[in-house]
Amino acid sequence: DAKTTQPPSMDCAEGRAANLPCNHSTISGNEYVYWYRQIHSQGPQYIIHGLKNNETNEMASLIITEDRKSSTLILPHATLRDTAVYYCIVRVLVGSGGGADGLTFGKGTHLIIQP
Amino acid sequence: NAGVMQNPRHLVRRRGQEARLRCSPMKGHSHVYWYRQLPEEGLKFMVYLQKENIIDESGMPKERFSAEFPKEGPSILRIQQVVRGDSAAYFCASSLRLSSGANVLTFGAGSRLTVL
Repeated sequence: DAKTTQPPSMDCAEGRAANLPCNHSTISGNEYVYWYRQIHSQGPQYIIHGLKNNETNEMASLIITEDRKSSTLILPHATLRDTAVYYCIVRVLVGSGGGADGLTFGKGTHLIIQP
Repeated sequence: NAGVMQNPRHLVRRRGQEARLRCSPMKGHSHVYWYRQLPEEGLKFMVYLQKENIIDESGMPKERFSAEFPKEGPSILRIQQVVRGDSAAYFCASSLRLSSGANVLTFGAGSRLTVL
């Protein structure tokens, strides 16, 4: 799997958009980008995933650059409850081979929403 | 539709005892994953199972740890002869493969094991 690089921490004011970057310069064509978050002491929570195109759901938007070497997770109106560690994960499509289907979590970005 | 259910939520064991952690996947999900999170550390993959089969146990310690996902009933993570270093949060996740090839995991709330 492609390795990802994320800043260790970020601050964002409540009500503003939180933009979390992720570099995955070695990503290959059959690898998805997934974002999860873990609020303190809770189980990780799926946020969004994408392959090539930008994606949006009720939680967030995912912007993937045209060369797919980086992406940005956008929380449009951050609240205090969005304070969490956010993980950017790259993983091959199911059925593409490459071993385990489990996700590998790195250190992520600790996003702190300031009141 | 209940999510991934893990129990017990908290378990206290003395050194040398056995710990059994249970995980019921989401309805319709046939893939189960176990992860461990040591205090102040990240999530580490342990094992991936489908019904009655261990698919990948590359993250499992070689001794004392075992996992199963029987045809009927929950998945079980079993730790024999626990030591203090086994104290951690153990998270279970289940997934339903999407036709797109993506594999989205749904996690449970975790089981926190404390070894005295």
